[in-house]
Amino acid sequence: DQQVKQNSPSLSVQEGRISILNCDYTNSMFDYFLWYKKYPAEGPTFLISISSIKDKNEDGRFTVFLNKSAKHLSLHIVPSQPGDSAVYFCAASRRTTDSWGKLQFGAGTQVVVTP
Amino acid sequence: KAGVTQTPRYLIKTRGQQVTLSCSPISGHRSVSWYQQTPGQGLQFLFEYFSETQRNKGNFPGRFSGRQFSNSRSEMNVSTLELGDSALYLCASSLKGANYEQYFGPGTRLTVT
Repeated sequence: DQQVKQNSPSLSVQEGRISILNCDYTNSMFDYFLWYKKYPAEGPTFLISISSIKDKNEDGRFTVFLNKSAKHLSLHIVPSQPGDSAVYFCAASRRTTDSWGKLQFGAGTQVVVTP
Repeated sequence: KAGVTQTPRYLIKTRGQQVTLSCSPISGHRSVSWYQQTPGQGLQFLFEYFSETQRNKGNFPGRFSGRQFSNSRSEMNVSTLELGDSALYLCASSLKGANYEQYFGPGTRLTVT
């Protein structure tokens, strides 16, 4: 049962424009959400996270938005750069209610930033 | 601070063999989780070890096992390898546990022929 879904397997965006990556989840008990970036032949790198008590978190060019009522989160990258070309995974967990839990990952979205 | 290291980086085995992969977490991290990544499947959770105890296990057959040592280093073993076990195996360490930020190693690419 896939509780975290990234319905867009790929996204192409021009350099300098905004990249918007979407993620939906089904488990209303999730209270912590993360985004990871992965280059080929490397492990995923943690990008940004957000707790369910917030609806927005910003870190440089990366902003994550959380809409709890819609069970939806998104990652905005502004401006997009060629080095942002990678696979992006969203993940979720139940930090406060399941102290021995685990991160549930989506299937990933391949982002390609074109010149 | 050194990151998560995994050895070996690449491995080729034949069906029926067994394999052991190793992971050294970030210093001070007591939680080590293992994931399998195959094309189109994202990251599938295998198990988590915390202070030498398995705390959580994913939906994988018993051929997949692991352990953690007192220095937090972890090993993962797959016995009776099948072609479908070909994948990138990722290890991640965390200060607080598997449902917090995890820091991944580069992975071990296992090919089963």
